[in-house]
Amino acid sequence: ETGVTQTPRHLVMGMTNKKSLKCEQHLGHNAMYWYKQSAKKPLELMFVYNFKEQTENNSVPSRFSPECPNSSHLFLHLHTLQPEDSALYLCASSLDPRVSRGNTIYFGEGSWLTVV
Amino acid sequence: GQNIDQPTEMTATEGAIVQINCTYQTSGFNGLFWYQQHAGEAPTFLSYNVLDGLEEKGRFSSFLSRSKGYSYLLLKELQMKDSASYLCAVRDGSQTGANNLFFGTGTRLTVIP
Repeated sequence: ETGVTQTPRHLVMGMTNKKSLKCEQHLGHNAMYWYKQSAKKPLELMFVYNFKEQTENNSVPSRFSPECPNSSHLFLHLHTLQPEDSALYLCASSLDPRVSRGNTIYFGEGSWLTVV
Repeated sequence: GQNIDQPTEMTATEGAIVQINCTYQTSGFNGLFWYQQHAGEAPTFLSYNVLDGLEEKGRFSSFLSRSKGYSYLLLKELQMKDSASYLCAVRDGSQTGANNLFFGTGTRLTVIP
């Protein structure tokens, strides 16, 4: 238990569906992140939120839409995805974006997404 | 930009020592992290280096040489439960990096009896 909870753990969706991934952190952190993990590729940073404000959008296609209503919750809204978007989506949080020894990133267990 | 390289797979014997290397190129180095990720689980923090030298934590140690853009993770007295992927990540403090963490592809370690 890392203090970062993601739901659902597994999701299968069609290319025309709209779905959302949810993340909640119970660590009192101020920064939250979405990462994408594909087979044989590095973890890719997608979005960063600091105090509910988006500070980073790493050239992510608009079919991925993040939402951060407060510092404890983060959503990733999915719409008209492609099969190549199938991957593990990891949420993470840290005390603030200046990650350092006592301020590391804590990951959730991820949401496995399959687009058919 | 960032370029982080580590071997894809390694195999080692229970009770032995294994060293996992990581080389990096980044415009604004501001710390290096190692994470462990068991299959189907969240990556968990192992170690952090920002200055040159060795950081030891129990059976795990991590080394950094900033001039060489090089780090290694050393695992001693290997146990079967150490079979996992080990992720090297670099914090990029440049204006474009924005102090975010950028990861290598990970090294999948298999410990055999």
